[in-house]
Amino acid sequence: DIQMTQSPSAMSASVGDRVTITCRASQDISSYLVWFQQKPGKAPKRLIYLSSTLQTGVPSRFSGSGSGTEFTLTISSLQPEDFATYYCLRHNSYPLTFGGGTKVEIK
Amino acid sequence: EVQLVESGGGLVQPGGSLRLSCVASGFILSDHYMDWVRQAPGRGLEWVGRTKDKIDSYTTEYAAAVKGRFTISRDASKNSLYLQMNSLKTEDTAVYYCTRVNVRDLEYYMDVWGKGTTVTVSS
Repeated sequence: DIQMTQSPSAMSASVGDRVTITCRASQDISSYLVWFQQKPGKAPKRLIYLSSTLQTGVPSRFSGSGSGTEFTLTISSLQPEDFATYYCLRHNSYPLTFGGGTKVEIK
Repeated sequence: EVQLVESGGGLVQPGGSLRLSCVASGFILSDHYMDWVRQAPGRGLEWVGRTKDKIDSYTTEYAAAVKGRFTISRDASKNSLYLQMNSLKTEDTAVYYCTRVNVRDLEYYMDVWGKGTTVTVSS
């Protein structure tokens, strides 16, 4: 199975900070990568699909990049509502696999 | 409004069975692949399985951890998706989510999720 290694697993950041989260695939997955945001007790919310396409309604401070084996989610200026856990998902083949998650906490 | 609502979760003993339901509104279920995803307490997201759409004959795919024990099905007349879980283990304890998947238009790939239903496997 293709593994997704997500880093960091947790981080502390301040409002206004630039945040970068990385997912690395153990094999080439082209651009078949999705980013989700999840808040406690809530379902995941899709932010970005096809590695870099922003979901309608998601603020433009979120961006995604990468292809092949290395992918990045960037929040250009962290806002209070962005404190959450973020997951990547690769879906180029079965079984689909999520990254382990990155919890973004308030510094 | 496009919506998914799961139900059927509860407490079950190890070795028992449970059937989860996911009712769709605002779109036609048979036009989409549908996935189940779960999240154990305090853990990350885990893909459980998939039923493909009408074009792909509603065939199914499963994660290794549930293959042979879980079965995904659907009822077009009720616009509903099901997850039959047999031979349940304590490690199946999780919140189970259904999500819409469209492999032909990735704009609709896992764009809608239900709120989840909780399954607890314990004696």
